[in-house]
Amino acid sequence: EAGVAQSPRYKIIEKRQSVAFWCNPISGHATLYWYQQILGQGPKLLIQFQNNGVVDDSQLPKDRFSAERLKGVDSTLKIQPAKLEDSAVYLCASSSTSRSGSYNEQFFGPGTRLTVL
Amino acid sequence: GEDVEQSLFLSVREGDSSVINCTYTDSSSTYLYWYKQEPGAGLQLLTYIFSNMDMKQDQRLTVLLNKKDKHLSLRIADTQTGDSAIYFCAERWDSAGNMLTFGGGTRLMVKP
Repeated sequence: EAGVAQSPRYKIIEKRQSVAFWCNPISGHATLYWYQQILGQGPKLLIQFQNNGVVDDSQLPKDRFSAERLKGVDSTLKIQPAKLEDSAVYLCASSSTSRSGSYNEQFFGPGTRLTVL
Repeated sequence: GEDVEQSLFLSVREGDSSVINCTYTDSSSTYLYWYKQEPGAGLQLLTYIFSNMDMKQDQRLTVLLNKKDKHLSLRIADTQTGDSAIYFCAERWDSAGNMLTFGGGTRLMVKP
């Protein structure tokens, strides 16, 4: 079974530029997550999708970050314009469901490392 | 904001046991997880424990849960150099779907 795919793996941009990341979850996984992992910290959830609907985006800086999952499969995360503090690894994860009562493993992709200069 | 706390660093010798500790925030957390992250890789689920359990053993891994103190630990028996990585504990609240809150990670270094 193929894992969660992300691209690009690395991206270097200057502040105020725009950038987009792409994620392809495991086939059949309804739930998709984007996390931000700043160096030396644990991942922080930015947004959670269930199929093509947003379940939680309370920690997404909506003035500059946007995400979509139009057909309920692939997802893109965009930053426009980028700030220095956006330098981080952006992790995508997927799970088969977000139903309560099950341990419900999240499978993580390798991440995109963003450096903002 | 709520914080899940872990010590930053642990160094052990190959063959010894490693114990990584975590303090979580919410006694209503339903599941608690341990993830492993190797350099340049995503997170890999190692094990998890349901909140009504005190202990779970899975081969070399033993998870202990103290709900009263909101303390979670991961013991790795016979630690190998391949166990060198960053270990994250995470808690899940069912009231927030499947949202996970991660600790800052503990870097485990295994010396030959």
